[in-house]
Amino acid sequence: DIQMTQSPSSLSASIGDRVTIACRASQTISNYLNWYQQKPGKAPKLLISAASTLQSGVPSRFSGSGSGTDFTLTISGLQPEDFASYYCQHSYTIPWTFGQGTKVEI
Amino acid sequence: QVQLQESGPGLVKPSQTLSLTCTVSGDSISSGNFYWSWIRQRPGKGLEWIGYIFYAGNMKYNPSLESRLTISIDTWKNQFSLRLSSVTAADTALYYCARAVRSVGRFHFDLWGQGTLVTVSS
Repeated sequence: DIQMTQSPSSLSASIGDRVTIACRASQTISNYLNWYQQKPGKAPKLLISAASTLQSGVPSRFSGSGSGTDFTLTISGLQPEDFASYYCQHSYTIPWTFGQGTKVEI
Repeated sequence: QVQLQESGPGLVKPSQTLSLTCTVSGDSISSGNFYWSWIRQRPGKGLEWIGYIFYAGNMKYNPSLESRLTISIDTWKNQFSLRLSSVTAADTALYYCARAVRSVGRFHFDLWGQGTLVTVSS
C-alpha cells in the first residue's frame, strides 16, 4: 500500500494567517492526489483534485501544489470557517489511502 | 441535487455480518462515470477506503478487508450495499458511502453521505 504522511498532525493559527499542510506519499503518485476538509460531525468535503484543481464553489484562498511524492495544501488568509481537519488522499493504485489528517485549530 | 443516504443497523454483534445500504437520490446510479464507494472512519482515527462498485458490476476492494467484504449494487432500487462478515470491535466506525468520479484516470470523492455509526459489541 502507498502510505500518505501528513505534517503537521495539528497546528494552531490565527485568522488571516497563511497555513501550509504537507502530504508525502511513500512512492510516486504523479498528481493522483486529492484534498478534503472535514468539520466535526460532518462528512469530508472535496477541496482540490488532481493535486491542484480547485473544486467549484471552494474559495480561492485554498490552493494545492506538488507532483510525484510531495504535495502541499495552502490556505492564504485563514477564515473562521476554515478551522477543521484536512486529509490528503491518493488514487494512484488500489488501495486508495488517506493521510492521517491535519487539524487546524485556533 | 444528488444525495446519498446510508442505512442499516447501528449495533452488530461480534462475529456477525455488518450490512449497510446507500440510497442514491436525485439521479440514476447507472449514469455517469461514477464509482460507488464505501469509506469508514474509526473513532478518533483517519479515513479508510473500503471499496467501490461500478454500475456495470465491476468492483475493487481494499485488500485488507477483501476476504470479508462484499459490495453489491441494485440499479432498480438505485442503491448499493456493503456486507462485512466476521466483524470485531475493530470494525466499529462511522461508515460513509461516497461517489467517486473518474477523470483522466484519476478518482476523487465528490459526494458523500452523512455517515452512519456502526458499533460492534455484544
